[in-house]
Amino acid sequence: DAGVTQSPTHLIKTRGQQVTLRCSPKSGHDTVSWYQQALGQGPQFIFQYYEEEERQRGNFPDRFSGHQFPNYSSELNVNALLLGDSALYLCASSLVGQGALAEAFFGQGTRLTVV
Amino acid sequence: GNSVTQMEGPVTLSEEAFLTINCTYTATGYPSLFWYVQYPGEGLQLLLKATKADDKGSNKGFEATYRKETTSFHLEKGSVQVSDSAVYFCARMMDSSYKLIFGSGTRLLVRP
Repeated sequence: DAGVTQSPTHLIKTRGQQVTLRCSPKSGHDTVSWYQQALGQGPQFIFQYYEEEERQRGNFPDRFSGHQFPNYSSELNVNALLLGDSALYLCASSLVGQGALAEAFFGQGTRLTVV
Repeated sequence: GNSVTQMEGPVTLSEEAFLTINCTYTATGYPSLFWYVQYPGEGLQLLLKATKADDKGSNKGFEATYRKETTSFHLEKGSVQVSDSAVYFCARMMDSSYKLIFGSGTRLLVRP
């Protein structure tokens, strides 16, 4: 079991550019959540996808968008990058059939640096 | 508001010392509570959880008890090891929500 895998592991982008981050959930999981972790801070919830739809969203602007594919993998897209978007982006997967309190398994994250 | 507050670090201890990392929460209702650990260069791992008042979560020698009266979920370990050096995050989740709300994290450094 490969667990939650994210790609790429590191990324450097220029202000104004667009970026796509990818996540493959743990085998058997159907729900993917994305979090942003700024340096020295706790992760902040961006949104969650289930059945290819955004189920809940945190306090992030529309520049942040996502997608879930039929195989449950997910992408996080960020448009018009700002310096403040530099952070570790974490993907977490869970199985909704176990209820809202199902354990979330986290990937190692993608470190995004905006210059 | 709905938030999680945990003690600021870093916390520096000698091996075999007793550990306490404080965590308090605010929420409308009764959330489930979690402790996650993040080792250097890695993602978060669930350490333990408690879903209702007076529940005690435990794992790898760590314990935390859900205290409704003090809205707290303090993490404790009787004897820390160098390998416990990491950042520890307290988090909550409401039954009606699907998102984890994290504290800002507490860095623990255990010296030999």
